Amino acid sequence: NAGVTQTPKFQVLKTGQSMTLQCAQDMNHEYMSWYRQDPGMGLRLIHYSVGAGITDQGEVPNGYNVSRSTTEDFPLRLLSAAPSQTSVYFCASSSTIADQETQYFGPGTRLLVL
Amino acid sequence: AQSVTQLGSHVSVSEGALVLLRCNYSSSVPPYLFWYVQYPNQGLQLLLKYTTGATLVKGINGFEAEFKKSETSFHLTKPSAHMSDAAEYFCAVSDRHQAGTALIFGKGTTLSVSS
Repeated sequence: NAGVTQTPKFQVLKTGQSMTLQCAQDMNHEYMSWYRQDPGMGLRLIHYSVGAGITDQGEVPNGYNVSRSTTEDFPLRLLSAAPSQTSVYFCASSSTIADQETQYFGPGTRLLVL
Repeated sequence: AQSVTQLGSHVSVSEGALVLLRCNYSSSVPPYLFWYVQYPNQGLQLLLKYTTGATLVKGINGFEAEFKKSETSFHLTKPSAHMSDAAEYFCAVSDRHQAGTALIFGKGTTLSVSS
């Protein structure tokens, strides 16, 4: 298993540009989520999904959109990037059956918005 | 509402010394508690977790943590630090005992280990 994969690893955007951060997992996990990590802030939840077709907002959802058309994929879209969205983004997944309380994290995407 | 407080944003120890990273939580229901480690430029890796049962939990790389309900604490310890332990450590809490539950993270503690 590859686990949770994220692409790209690093991205530079200009203010106002849009982009999609990709996240995929091959563990058949129903629950997936996106966090952002900022220095001294820990990780904060952006959006999450409890299954295909079901998404909900987390603590800091503004400026981000998500959709979940398949169990495997959970992309995060920035519609109009702002410097405040410069951060490291982590995707995570967990199982609804086995070991359901443990979340598995991807390697992260570093985003710089100029 | 749940919250996690990690006391000390930066802890420095000598190689071979005791490692103690402090975590206090607040939760209205019995919590699930986690410690994650993040090495530079990498994702988060689960060190250990407490769900139910034994309050002393052993994790990977020689780390352990004890759940103390009366103190609302879940401090992480390791008897003897190694240079490879230098990383950032995050304590997290979840109060929903089911999948589809987000974690609430502390702000992290950076551990430095000197020779």
